[in-house]
Amino acid sequence: DTEVTQTPKHLVMGMTNKKSLKCEQHMGHRAMYWYKQKAKKPPELMFVYSYEKLSINESVPSRFSPECPNSSLLNLHLHALQPEDSALYLCASSQSAGTDYEQYFGPGTRLTVT
Amino acid sequence: AQSVTQLDSQVPVFEEAPVELRCNYSSSVSVYLFWYVQYPNQGLQLLLKYLSGSTLVKGINGFEAEFNKSQTSFHLRKPSVHISDTAEYFCAVRGPSGGSYIPTFGRGTSLIVHP
Repeated sequence: DTEVTQTPKHLVMGMTNKKSLKCEQHMGHRAMYWYKQKAKKPPELMFVYSYEKLSINESVPSRFSPECPNSSLLNLHLHALQPEDSALYLCASSQSAGTDYEQYFGPGTRLTVT
Repeated sequence: AQSVTQLDSQVPVFEEAPVELRCNYSSSVSVYLFWYVQYPNQGLQLLLKYLSGSTLVKGINGFEAEFNKSQTSFHLRKPSVHISDTAEYFCAVRGPSGGSYIPTFGRGTSLIVHP
């Protein structure tokens, strides 16, 4: 099983809502990532978890709050978002955050903030 | 730190023609190089990767890439494209950054295959 799953596929939320994105992998990978991707742009790294600990936070606003409850799950909690946060949010995993391990990407959650 | 340059934002080509998507990188240390494909409304899928060894790397869907250290390039090629190859292609480099190997993506090249 080389699949990374993400739910929901689409999400529309208002600026005062609280919602969560979920990502799951069962490949035994110990590194998990959140990316934000705007249309026609490359993915921008947001967070990296290594062995369930947050190892990298790329200066992401606090309205985005990641959580890694166990080695298979990664959540992204959203609160008080802005319309400019509308994007495709991609989750990825790799065997480790080190060296050459390739990343496996999920299909993404298309987020629209109204 | 490393960087990636994809020179072409869009490459139009006719079906069954060959194609080359260009990627140049810069880094002061050894890096690992990747090409990903993204179909509309989907995540990224790994096409191929260069870690070490043979400089010619073969990937899925008939794609290949050649690592050229002297020219710091990792161009992607396919001898005969299909309509289904229409997608966004990202070159990525992965090198050391504070104990982790964080990938840096190029801006992407949109491959448009015409019948």
